[in-house]
Amino acid sequence: ELKVEQNPLFLSMQEGKNYTIYCNYSTTSDRLYWYRQDPGKSLESLFVLLSNGAVKQEGRLMASLDTKARLSTLHITAAVHDLSATYFCAVDTSYNNNDMRFGAGTRLTVKP
Amino acid sequence: DTGVSQNPRHKITKRGQNVTFRCDPISEHNRLYWYRQTLGQGPEFLTYFQNEAQLEKSRLLSDRFSAERPKGSFSTLEIQRTEQGDSAMYLCASSLTPPTNSPLHFGNGTRLTVT
Repeated sequence: ELKVEQNPLFLSMQEGKNYTIYCNYSTTSDRLYWYRQDPGKSLESLFVLLSNGAVKQEGRLMASLDTKARLSTLHITAAVHDLSATYFCAVDTSYNNNDMRFGAGTRLTVKP
Repeated sequence: DTGVSQNPRHKITKRGQNVTFRCDPISEHNRLYWYRQTLGQGPEFLTYFQNEAQLEKSRLLSDRFSAERPKGSFSTLEIQRTEQGDSAMYLCASSLTPPTNSPLHFGNGTRLTVT
């Protein structure tokens, strides 16, 4: 059974600092997604990573994918309070079924 | 395009009652998914539709759960004889038909509380 593991599960950062969230998965896949969820809200798509070595950047967030290591990272640069949210990675297990499995999420708090 | 719409936003019901939720996907999306999310967890896959056909159901989806998408547009998720363990956020999402670079587009969810 596919397992998607994120770490850390909780992250408290100071504004201006850098940090990386890790997402490991247990089966072959080259389609990985990152989502953001604010409290009480639904999930918002951040990045779609479709091949080994893919790197996407948006503002202070950068995501990468290493399909050989079955690892994706979400790097946060110079964190600001507005980035406080829960971040989920999700792995697409099949080209046909598009059955997406989610990690447990990383709850990020950025403190002034 | 107003995105994925779910109704109701909140539902409180007594144990043993039946509940039904509705999801209206993005109009051009053929795929429709139902997920369940409990506090502190990521969404768990329940089932998905390609147009009106239900193509996969998770083993999490007990016999008390049924989903339909009769005309390939909106979908309903019904839970019969609700139990306290059914309390969760039920999320609907839609997407274009794979292969696609498109992520899932989620609605705001229906929060179910079973008392």
